Amino acid sequence: KNQVEQSPQSLIILEGKNCTLQCNYTVSPFSNLRWYKQDTGRGPVSLTIMTFSENTKSNGRYTATLDADTKQSSLHITASQLSDSASYICVVTAQYNNNDMRFGAGTRLTVKP
Amino acid sequence: DAGVIQSPRHEVTEMGQEVTLRCKPISGHNSLFWYRQTMMRGLELLIYFNNNVPIDDSGMPEDRFSAKMPNASFSTLKIQPSEPRDSAVYFCASSLVRTTNTEAFFGQGTRLTVV
Repeated sequence: KNQVEQSPQSLIILEGKNCTLQCNYTVSPFSNLRWYKQDTGRGPVSLTIMTFSENTKSNGRYTATLDADTKQSSLHITASQLSDSASYICVVTAQYNNNDMRFGAGTRLTVKP
Repeated sequence: DAGVIQSPRHEVTEMGQEVTLRCKPISGHNSLFWYRQTMMRGLELLIYFNNNVPIDDSGMPEDRFSAKMPNASFSTLKIQPSEPRDSAVYFCASSLVRTTNTEAFFGQGTRLTVV
């Protein structure tokens, strides 16, 4: 069973609307949680990173939240743009080994005009 | 820095042929990762190196897969013989492991199609 579960699997929204993507994990203990954006045909690019002591982190229109008690994270996208269409991947790094990254399956977001 | 460089970007080969994927990590990074991505399984770690030494290859699917890192600036992933089920996008990533906020930087990937 994957230790990082994301929902929804896919999402379609209209340009300008907001949306929230979810990530639940069981990796414990963990060092940090990162959200990556992957455009079609390209490699993933990091959007935000939070350590276990952080609750929220913003990067422009992207805001990530983390609840280490419930082991949940969300990525909120505000005022979506067509360029936000991509896959968003939640990655949890295990503690004690910064190379042990656990990937979620991703959420495929499509923003329509 | 140009980032992680992978070649080729696309590879189409016949079943049974040998395939070699190449990766040049970001200069100064000490960890290198090979991932495979498919629609069904998402991103899967195949193997990673730390200071050119293979640390964890438990993700390598079978003996047909092998990876080398002869020096800090070059790595290869070889599949011999290739099979149709190996068709996927293969990503190389590198990082500089020094803090809890280590980030892995990904290459553009190699799309492999085995027919």
